[in-house]
Amino acid sequence: EDQVTQSPEALRLQEGESSSLNCSYTVSGLRGLFWYRQDPGKGPEFLFTLYSAGEEKEKERLKATLTKKESFLHITAPKPEDSATYLCAVHSPTGGTSYGKLTFGQGTILTVHP
Amino acid sequence: DTEVTQTPKHLVMGMTNKKSLKCEQHMGHRAMYWYKQKAKKPPELMFVYSYEKLSINESVPSRFSPECPNSSLLNLHLHALQPEDSALYLCASSQDPGALYQPQHFGDGTRLSIL
Repeated sequence: EDQVTQSPEALRLQEGESSSLNCSYTVSGLRGLFWYRQDPGKGPEFLFTLYSAGEEKEKERLKATLTKKESFLHITAPKPEDSATYLCAVHSPTGGTSYGKLTFGQGTILTVHP
Repeated sequence: DTEVTQTPKHLVMGMTNKKSLKCEQHMGHRAMYWYKQKAKKPPELMFVYSYEKLSINESVPSRFSPECPNSSLLNLHLHALQPEDSALYLCASSQDPGALYQPQHFGDGTRLSIL
């Protein structure tokens, strides 16, 4: 069974204090690893797709990296508006079909204090 | 603003009521999804529609009945729900359910409360 584990569960940072979130995964037939941001009362907002080990993607203060077993979301000089829950998900075939299914991790709640 | 639109944003209903949740996307996506999300938990897949046909039902109770009238619309009909069904119901879409590496794009959900 596909598994995704995110750590830490919660992270408190001071504004400007860089850090990383971890997503480790076990999946058969990976079809992509995705990072999402979710604000309270909103749906997940797509951030990145990572395709293969060694790949990196950047967007503003965020940089996502991928190895064969885990992904990191690096946050450089965060601001209070970066506070949100960050979800990692893997896409893999499901139930003997050709259709893919997203399996989410439990998320990391990031709080950035001014 | 999200490109997947869900209505209503909030819904309160009794256990004997019948109501429907609606979802619309105009990105030309051919796969649409319903997820259920409880507080402080990740989204859980309920249904997948591919080219307007139900492809995956994740053993969801029959009191939830999905419908895909056309490639842009997705409905979730609710009947005789239980208090434990209170949750955020999310709709998502992607280009194709079998396509490699295609992200799913989510709406902002309907917050459902069962009295």
